[in-house]
Amino acid sequence: GDSVTQMEGPVTLSEEAFLTINCTYTATGYPSLFWYVQYPGEGLQLLLKATKADDKGSNKGFEATYRKETTSFHLEKGSVQVSDSAVYFCALSYVQGGSEKLVFGKGMKLTVNP
Amino acid sequence: DTGVSQDPRHKITKRGQNVTFRCDPISEHNRLYWYRQTLGQGPEFLTYFQNEAQLEKSRLLSDRFSAERPKGSFSTLEIQRTEQGDSAMYLCASNGKGPGETQYFGPGTRLLVL
Repeated sequence: GDSVTQMEGPVTLSEEAFLTINCTYTATGYPSLFWYVQYPGEGLQLLLKATKADDKGSNKGFEATYRKETTSFHLEKGSVQVSDSAVYFCALSYVQGGSEKLVFGKGMKLTVNP
Repeated sequence: DTGVSQDPRHKITKRGQNVTFRCDPISEHNRLYWYRQTLGQGPEFLTYFQNEAQLEKSRLLSDRFSAERPKGSFSTLEIQRTEQGDSAMYLCASNGKGPGETQYFGPGTRLLVL
């Protein structure tokens, strides 16, 4: 079935460091791809998404490009802040039998120190 | 705030007891999803409603689990005869329109079975 593999961490960075979180997927069709973020004590929030190949999603300084040839959707940010400390989940959505569901990676915990 | 809400936020119960969780989706959303998230893992799909119809159930949803959405608005998830392995965060999400649309998540209900 469809699946997502992402860097697991945990990862600790200093403020203003460069961030890359790798995400690759396996899918039989053409899924939409998402990055969700979970801040401490809060629910999942959509960070960015891309619905077709070569689309770039961006939000809050984060970017990810849907690469069909490498089946990847890596998350990047040029300069992280303490407020970016959270768990990051890569996910894909696919439609099967008339219903749509999200498939998530295991998540990566990021801690940013001042 | 008119986001997805869930109640209760936390539930502690003894093994063998029944528990029921409620989810109120964003009001104009006709699609509603339940996911389960265990510690250190990404959320896993449990079931999906379009309006009041339950269109898909994961094999993770044993016969002790039942979900309803009687009027196509709020939904309930009941777990009968709880087991320690049911301890997890139960997440609800909603969206509308068609495939690829963002699912918006509630804050979750954290269940601890003693």
